[in-house]
Amino acid sequence: EDKVVQSPLSLVVHEGDTVTLNCSYEVTNFRSLLWYKQEKKAPTFLFMLTSSGIEKKSGRLSSILDKKELFSILNITATQTGDSAVYLCAVEANSGNTPLVFGKGTRLSVIA
Amino acid sequence: KAGVTQTPRYLIKTRGQQVTLSCSPISGHRSVSWYQQTPGQGLQFLFEYFSETQRNKGNFPGRFSGRQFSNSRSEMNVSTLELGDSALYLCASTSGHNEQFFGPGTRLTVL
Repeated sequence: EDKVVQSPLSLVVHEGDTVTLNCSYEVTNFRSLLWYKQEKKAPTFLFMLTSSGIEKKSGRLSSILDKKELFSILNITATQTGDSAVYLCAVEANSGNTPLVFGKGTRLSVIA
Repeated sequence: KAGVTQTPRYLIKTRGQQVTLSCSPISGHRSVSWYQQTPGQGLQFLFEYFSETQRNKGNFPGRFSGRQFSNSRSEMNVSTLELGDSALYLCASTSGHNEQFFGPGTRLTVL
């Protein structure tokens, strides 16, 4: 059964800190890994990763995928209170019934 | 471009009732997926529709059903509601580049 595990489940940091969120997965016929940020409403798309070792970057956020070790990390530098959210990792597989398998998320709280 | 819209945003029902939720995808997107999100289980896939056909289905009982219309709008229906059906129901439309864009969700409370 396809599985996505995120760690830590929750994290509290101070503004300005750097955080690393982890996502490991077990899927058959991996196609891509996606990161989402969810505040009070719907998840918003952050990154899609398909190739190992290529870092994707957007402002203070960056992410990288390791297809050999089956994990991805999401880094946030110089955190701000607006980064407080649940960060979701999802994996897309080429086979199986489920287009996207989600992890349970990491709840990040950034305090001033 | 308008985003994914879902109606209603909030719903309160009692056990045994049935409910229909609606989702309009981003214009031009033909694929619509539905997810159930609960604090305990996280986001779980319900089903995916593409061009009016159910393409994939998650592990939910037959009380959960859906359909898609020719304009790509989709509805999901839950019959004989149970307390455990209380959740945020999210709809996502998928672009040609396989990016999913989520709607704001419908929060269903079953009393």
